Amino acid sequence: DTAVSQTPKYLVTQMGNDKSIKCEQNLGHDTMYWYKQDSKKFLKIMFSYNNKELIINETVPNRFSPKSPDKAHLNLHINSLELGDSAVYFCASSPNHSYEQYFGPGTRLTVT
Amino acid sequence: QKEVEQNSGPLSVPEGAIASLNCTYSDRGSQSFFWYRQYSGKSPELIMFIYSNGDKEDGRFTAQLNKASQYVSLLIRDSQPSDSATYLCAVNQAGTALIFGKGTTLSVSS
Repeated sequence: DTAVSQTPKYLVTQMGNDKSIKCEQNLGHDTMYWYKQDSKKFLKIMFSYNNKELIINETVPNRFSPKSPDKAHLNLHINSLELGDSAVYFCASSPNHSYEQYFGPGTRLTVT
Repeated sequence: QKEVEQNSGPLSVPEGAIASLNCTYSDRGSQSFFWYRQYSGKSPELIMFIYSNGDKEDGRFTAQLNKASQYVSLLIRDSQPSDSATYLCAVNQAGTALIFGKGTTLSVSS
């Protein structure tokens, strides 16, 4: 039983394309997150949703748009992909903001 | 700017030794403290969390928190080669996202 799952695992695309990454958690958690881990392995928060409501929106280009159809799903859509968007994107969930977070397997995005 | 600082390492210890990983944080209002382990190419895995000053033990792992010094550490006793990974320290306040350090790479030699 996968607690936090992401699709796809790998994504290779060209500059200018639009792509989406999907995330689902079956832990019954209220809060979900998107993180970006760059080539230097630094993990940084992008967005956080609590019960489908956007809670945290860090300084992220507006080409990135999260969508939460229900509290078990948080998708990330990226428009007009750029070379600098290449990274590993992790989805995570937690019972609420104050508790430990559990990460999905990650999506390695490569923009060429 | 809220920051979490860790030595990048690598920290090298022989098998069976104690590995000591350290982390300092800038936000005095931080309330929750976490240690994650990340193997190369894998996702971060939660191994310890601590909310109160003092020590918390779980198997071979001990987390130590000193809020006055804004310092949190992770001790790994009887280190094994399988402990070789990057260890990420993370902190947050209630209602805010985790702030991660850049991680310390641990290498345990057999």
